[in-house]
Amino acid sequence: EVQLVQSGAEVKEPGESLKISCKASGYTFPSYWIGWVRQLPGQGLEWMGIIYPDDSDARYSPSFQGQVTISADKSTTTAYLQWSSLKASDTAVYYCVRHSRHTPLGVLIKPDFFPNWGQGTRVTVSS
Amino acid sequence: EIVMTQSPGTLSVSPGERATLSCRASQSISSNLAWYQQKPGQAPRLLIYGATTRATGIPARFSGSGSGTEFTLTINSLQSEDFGVYYCQQYNYWPPKYTFGQGTKLEIK
Repeated sequence: EVQLVQSGAEVKEPGESLKISCKASGYTFPSYWIGWVRQLPGQGLEWMGIIYPDDSDARYSPSFQGQVTISADKSTTTAYLQWSSLKASDTAVYYCVRHSRHTPLGVLIKPDFFPNWGQGTRVTVSS
Repeated sequence: EIVMTQSPGTLSVSPGERATLSCRASQSISSNLAWYQQKPGQAPRLLIYGATTRATGIPARFSGSGSGTEFTLTINSLQSEDFGVYYCQQYNYWPPKYTFGQGTKLEIK
């Protein structure tokens, strides 16, 4: 069974750094794209970016490029989302998501949907 | 950016009736559309992908239709547990430019 288990809620002050995690299990972690979706309070879903753990190829939504960094550690089957300097506007729930398709390295990549979601990590940024 | 527009914003339907939710893409996305259901305090759940294929474990009362720019999610014989917010998502391009609709809130009368 595929499981994505995210780290717990965080309360931070503006300007602080933060790294949240998504521990994956139940599948071949390196060869599935895994990414992040943001949900602002009371709002809809926004795709942030995605990474291929086998070679750390990361792709970002233009809205989030340069604002966050997505990484992955094959040895611990964990994906990460990090900020170097948080803003109050980063207050949101963040979900990790996984592509449906197994994509071995070198195979043509196709865009995909998200059958698997983590439980969400609530990040609150306030002074 | 492909803009996904959902309508209506809120839909109130009685149990046993049919709910029809719409999603429009600003340009053609073929059949590369998914629908998700989100209940308060929960992560979204995949309902439909490829515009028409039900995800594993999704009841047959949920059905998807459409292609190109116009898509519909139909929920027949609405059950009380079907309340929540429904989102469509397009996944038509690589490098990825995934976008979600703004959501339709389904209320049970």
